[in-house]
Amino acid sequence: KNEVEQSPQNLTAQEGEFITINCSYSVGISALHWLQQHPGGGIVSLFMLSSGKKKHGRLIATINIQEKHSSLHITASHPRDSAVYICAVADGSSNTGKLIFGQGTTLQVKP
Amino acid sequence: DTEVTQTPKHLVMGMTNKKSLKCEQHMGHRAMYWYKQKAKKPPELMFVYSYEKLSINESVPSRFSPECPNSSLLNLHLHALQPEDSALYLCATGRGTLNTGELFFGEGSRLTVL
Repeated sequence: KNEVEQSPQNLTAQEGEFITINCSYSVGISALHWLQQHPGGGIVSLFMLSSGKKKHGRLIATINIQEKHSSLHITASHPRDSAVYICAVADGSSNTGKLIFGQGTTLQVKP
Repeated sequence: DTEVTQTPKHLVMGMTNKKSLKCEQHMGHRAMYWYKQKAKKPPELMFVYSYEKLSINESVPSRFSPECPNSSLLNLHLHALQPEDSALYLCATGRGTLNTGELFFGEGSRLTVL
Protein backbone atom coordinates (compact mmCIF):
# COMPACT_ATOMS: atom_id res chain seq x y z
CA LYS A 1 0.00 0.00 0.00
CA ASN A 2 1.34 3.45 -0.94
CA GLU A 3 2.06 5.86 1.88
CA VAL A 4 0.08 8.54 0.02
CA GLU A 5 -3.14 7.56 -1.70
CA GLN A 6 -5.18 9.87 -3.89
CA SER A 7 -8.72 9.43 -5.11
CA PRO A 8 -10.08 9.44 -7.64
CA GLN A 9 -7.28 8.60 -10.09
CA ASN A 10 -9.23 10.14 -12.95
CA LEU A 11 -12.04 12.67 -12.87
CA THR A 12 -14.14 14.19 -15.63
CA ALA A 13 -16.38 17.14 -14.85
CA GLN A 14 -18.54 19.63 -16.67
CA GLU A 15 -17.59 23.29 -16.57
CA GLY A 16 -18.99 24.93 -13.46
CA GLU A 17 -19.07 21.81 -11.31
CA PHE A 18 -17.66 21.63 -7.80
CA ILE A 19 -14.73 19.21 -7.67
CA THR A 20 -13.14 17.38 -4.76
CA ILE A 21 -9.89 15.44 -4.83
CA ASN A 22 -8.90 13.43 -1.78
CA CYS A 23 -5.53 12.50 -0.30
CA SER A 24 -4.92 10.05 2.53
CA TYR A 25 -1.54 9.32 4.02
CA SER A 26 -0.18 6.86 6.53
CA VAL A 27 2.94 8.59 7.89
CA GLY A 28 3.38 11.41 10.35
CA ILE A 29 3.90 14.59 8.40
CA SER A 30 5.26 18.07 8.91
CA ALA A 31 3.49 19.47 5.85
CA LEU A 32 1.30 18.49 2.93
CA HIS A 33 1.57 19.99 -0.54
CA TRP A 34 -0.97 20.19 -3.32
CA LEU A 35 0.67 20.53 -6.72
CA GLN A 36 -0.71 21.09 -10.22
CA GLN A 37 0.86 19.88 -13.45
CA HIS A 38 -0.50 20.66 -16.90
CA PRO A 39 0.25 18.16 -19.69
CA GLY A 40 3.88 18.32 -20.71
CA GLY A 41 4.53 21.11 -18.25
CA GLY A 42 6.25 21.86 -15.01
CA ILE A 43 4.75 21.74 -11.56
CA VAL A 44 3.03 24.60 -9.78
CA SER A 45 2.72 24.57 -6.02
CA LEU A 46 -0.91 25.34 -5.11
CA PHE A 47 -0.90 24.97 -1.34
CA MET A 48 1.31 23.95 1.54
CA LEU A 49 -0.67 22.93 4.62
CA SER A 50 0.21 21.83 8.09
CA SER A 51 -3.23 22.39 9.63
CA GLY A 52 -6.68 23.78 8.92
CA LYS A 53 -7.75 25.25 5.64
CA LYS A 54 -6.40 27.54 2.95
CA LYS A 55 -8.16 29.32 0.10
CA HIS A 56 -6.78 30.87 -3.05
CA GLY A 57 -9.26 32.07 -5.63
CA ARG A 58 -11.48 29.13 -6.59
CA LEU A 59 -9.25 26.61 -4.85
CA ILE A 60 -9.67 25.45 -1.26
CA ALA A 61 -7.47 22.96 0.55
CA THR A 62 -8.22 21.38 3.89
CA ILE A 63 -6.31 19.00 6.10
CA ASN A 64 -7.33 16.86 9.07
CA ILE A 65 -4.15 15.82 10.85
CA GLN A 66 -5.90 13.38 13.19
CA GLU A 67 -7.54 11.54 10.30
CA LYS A 68 -4.47 11.89 8.06
CA HIS A 69 -6.58 13.21 5.24
CA SER A 70 -6.60 16.24 2.99
CA SER A 71 -8.97 17.47 0.31
CA LEU A 72 -8.55 19.86 -2.58
CA HIS A 73 -11.73 21.55 -3.76
CA ILE A 74 -12.24 23.50 -6.97
CA THR A 75 -15.33 25.67 -7.15
CA ALA A 76 -16.89 26.73 -10.47
CA SER A 77 -14.49 24.52 -12.43
CA HIS A 78 -13.20 25.67 -15.80
CA PRO A 79 -11.54 23.82 -18.69
CA ARG A 80 -8.24 25.52 -17.82
CA ASP A 81 -8.33 23.60 -14.51
CA SER A 82 -7.71 20.42 -16.53
CA ALA A 83 -4.42 19.08 -15.21
CA VAL A 84 -2.90 16.46 -12.95
CA TYR A 85 -3.23 17.30 -9.26
CA ILE A 86 -0.61 15.77 -7.00
CA CYS A 87 -0.64 15.42 -3.25
CA ALA A 88 2.79 15.20 -1.62
CA VAL A 89 3.69 14.93 2.05
CA ALA A 90 6.81 15.87 3.93
CA ASP A 91 7.73 13.07 6.31
CA GLY A 92 7.67 14.51 9.80
CA SER A 93 10.34 12.12 11.03
CA SER A 94 12.86 13.42 8.53
CA ASN A 95 14.37 16.83 7.83
CA THR A 96 15.85 15.74 4.53
CA GLY A 97 13.49 17.65 2.31
CA LYS A 98 12.20 14.45 0.73
CA LEU A 99 8.57 14.42 -0.30
CA ILE A 100 6.37 11.34 -0.63
CA PHE A 101 4.13 11.76 -3.66
CA GLY A 102 0.71 10.40 -4.43
CA GLN A 103 0.08 8.97 -7.88
CA GLY A 104 -1.84 12.03 -8.99
CA THR A 105 -5.42 12.72 -10.03
CA THR A 106 -6.01 13.52 -13.68
CA LEU A 107 -8.80 16.08 -14.00
CA GLN A 108 -10.56 16.92 -17.24
CA VAL A 109 -13.10 19.72 -17.23
CA LYS A 110 -15.30 19.78 -20.31
CA PRO A 111 -16.87 22.99 -21.60
CA ASP B 1 10.96 37.25 -8.22
CA THR B 2 9.31 33.91 -7.39
CA GLU B 3 10.59 32.01 -10.38
CA VAL B 4 12.72 28.96 -10.81
CA THR B 5 14.20 29.05 -14.28
CA GLN B 6 15.37 25.87 -15.97
CA THR B 7 17.34 25.66 -19.19
CA PRO B 8 17.23 24.22 -21.70
CA LYS B 9 13.51 23.42 -21.95
CA HIS B 10 14.23 20.56 -24.37
CA LEU B 11 17.41 18.57 -24.91
CA VAL B 12 18.16 15.72 -27.27
CA MET B 13 21.45 13.95 -26.79
CA GLY B 14 23.25 10.83 -27.86
CA MET B 15 24.55 8.25 -25.42
CA THR B 16 28.13 9.47 -25.82
CA ASN B 17 27.37 13.18 -25.38
CA LYS B 18 28.10 15.37 -22.37
CA LYS B 19 25.49 18.00 -21.60
CA SER B 20 24.25 19.99 -18.63
CA LEU B 21 20.91 21.13 -17.26
CA LYS B 22 20.74 24.41 -15.40
CA CYS B 23 18.44 25.71 -12.68
CA GLU B 24 18.47 29.28 -11.39
CA GLN B 25 16.58 31.06 -8.62
CA HIS B 26 16.89 34.46 -6.97
CA MET B 27 14.57 33.96 -4.01
CA GLY B 28 17.37 33.32 -1.53
CA HIS B 29 16.23 29.74 -1.06
CA ARG B 30 18.91 27.52 0.43
CA ALA B 31 17.37 24.13 -0.41
CA MET B 32 17.47 23.01 -4.02
CA TYR B 33 16.29 19.73 -5.47
CA TRP B 34 16.57 17.69 -8.66
CA TYR B 35 13.64 15.43 -9.52
CA LYS B 36 13.19 13.02 -12.42
CA GLN B 37 9.70 12.43 -13.78
CA LYS B 38 8.70 9.74 -16.26
CA ALA B 39 5.45 10.04 -18.18
CA LYS B 40 2.30 9.61 -16.06
CA LYS B 41 4.36 9.01 -12.92
CA PRO B 42 5.01 11.23 -9.90
CA PRO B 43 8.42 12.89 -9.59
CA GLU B 44 11.28 10.91 -8.09
CA LEU B 45 13.83 12.68 -5.95
CA MET B 46 17.41 12.54 -7.24
CA PHE B 47 19.46 15.03 -5.23
CA VAL B 48 19.02 17.57 -2.45
CA TYR B 49 21.35 20.51 -1.84
CA SER B 50 21.23 22.43 1.40
CA TYR B 51 23.32 25.60 1.68
CA GLU B 52 25.21 24.60 -1.47
CA LYS B 53 26.19 21.23 -0.03
CA LEU B 54 24.90 17.91 -1.29
CA SER B 55 22.78 16.46 1.50
CA ILE B 56 20.96 13.65 -0.28
CA ASN B 57 21.85 11.45 -3.23
CA GLU B 58 19.05 8.96 -3.83
CA SER B 59 21.38 6.29 -5.20
CA VAL B 60 21.49 8.02 -8.55
CA PRO B 61 23.88 6.53 -11.15
CA SER B 62 27.16 8.39 -11.52
CA ARG B 63 26.31 9.34 -15.10
CA PHE B 64 24.29 12.10 -13.39
CA SER B 65 26.53 14.58 -11.60
CA PRO B 66 25.01 17.49 -9.68
CA GLU B 67 26.79 20.73 -8.91
CA CYS B 68 25.79 23.78 -6.88
CA PRO B 69 28.35 26.50 -7.67
CA ASN B 70 26.51 29.17 -5.67
CA SER B 71 23.25 29.74 -3.80
CA SER B 72 21.37 30.75 -6.95
CA LEU B 73 22.48 28.06 -9.34
CA LEU B 74 22.11 24.30 -9.56
CA ASN B 75 23.47 22.23 -12.41
CA LEU B 76 22.99 18.63 -13.45
CA HIS B 77 25.81 17.31 -15.61
CA LEU B 78 24.92 14.43 -17.90
CA HIS B 79 27.36 11.96 -19.42
CA ALA B 80 26.98 8.58 -21.09
CA LEU B 81 23.24 8.48 -20.52
CA GLN B 82 20.97 5.62 -21.51
CA PRO B 83 17.68 5.86 -23.46
CA GLU B 84 15.81 4.98 -20.25
CA ASP B 85 17.10 8.24 -18.76
CA SER B 86 14.75 10.11 -21.11
CA ALA B 87 12.39 12.02 -18.80
CA LEU B 88 11.35 15.44 -17.53
CA TYR B 89 13.96 16.76 -15.09
CA LEU B 90 12.50 19.17 -12.56
CA CYS B 91 14.30 21.56 -10.27
CA ALA B 92 12.65 22.78 -7.09
CA THR B 93 13.66 25.18 -4.35
CA GLY B 94 12.56 25.84 -0.81
CA ARG B 95 13.52 28.00 2.12
CA GLY B 96 15.04 25.05 3.96
CA THR B 97 15.09 21.30 4.14
CA LEU B 98 12.88 21.12 7.20
CA ASN B 99 9.87 20.39 5.01
CA THR B 100 7.86 23.22 6.49
CA GLY B 101 7.97 25.67 3.65
CA GLU B 102 6.44 26.10 0.27
CA LEU B 103 8.23 24.59 -2.69
CA PHE B 104 8.78 26.32 -6.00
CA PHE B 105 9.22 24.19 -9.11
CA GLY B 106 10.67 25.06 -12.47
CA GLU B 107 9.01 24.18 -15.76
CA GLY B 108 11.44 21.33 -16.25
CA SER B 109 13.91 20.23 -18.90
CA ARG B 110 12.60 17.50 -21.16
CA LEU B 111 15.48 15.17 -22.01
CA THR B 112 15.51 12.66 -24.84
CA VAL B 113 18.44 10.25 -25.05
CA LEU B 114 18.87 8.59 -28.42
